Amino acid sequence: QTQLVQSGAEVRKPGASVMVSCKTSGYTFTHYAFYWVRQAPGQGLEWMGRISGNSGNTRYAQKFQDRVTMTTDTSTKSASMELRSLRSDDTAIYYCVMEGAAAGTVYWGQGTLVTVSS
Amino acid sequence: DIVVTQSPLSLPVTPGESASISCRSNQSLLQSNGFNYLDWYLQKPGQSPQLLIYLGSYRASGVPDRFSGSGSGTDFTLKISRVEADDVGVYYCMQVLQGGTFGPGTKVDIK
Repeated sequence: QTQLVQSGAEVRKPGASVMVSCKTSGYTFTHYAFYWVRQAPGQGLEWMGRISGNSGNTRYAQKFQDRVTMTTDTSTKSASMELRSLRSDDTAIYYCVMEGAAAGTVYWGQGTLVTVSS
Repeated sequence: DIVVTQSPLSLPVTPGESASISCRSNQSLLQSNGFNYLDWYLQKPGQSPQLLIYLGSYRASGVPDRFSGSGSGTDFTLKISRVEADDVGVYYCMQVLQGGTFGPGTKVDIK
């Protein structure tokens, strides 16, 4: 059974950077992609971007284009997301999501709380 | 960018009855392959979202047949038949045609 485990909660000051990682287990196929979603306290879901596991091609939401970098490690089928120049409104739970090879195959991580506060 | 809207934003439901949620996009999500690139998710309190419906009308693995998705192009509907207490949470539609965009969510709770 495929599972995604994300790194632990982080606290950062405004202007700093944060990296959230996502490790998979149990996924045996070669085709996959990751995308990242965040959820501010009491708010809805916000799509941040996507990275192909095979090609490494990325597509970022315009809102994050200048501040985010998504990477993937094909040897471990893991992913990371770095967000820079943090602001207080970046405080949110960040989710890693893996798209499997078959349509409708989606796995979510447990979420990582990132708090930005001076 | 594709914008996705939902209605209603709040939906009180009675157990045993049916409920419907509407989702609209400002661009067609229907591709030439015949598939609509629209997914439905449920986020139960304190949990990560779970996929219910993909490509507009296909139920994800393990999802009860009480949940059904319909629609094409720019207008979609999620129907929950025979609502159960465990169905409470926030339902989101998400376009996956161009990157991804979530709708604002519909909070479903029991009357």
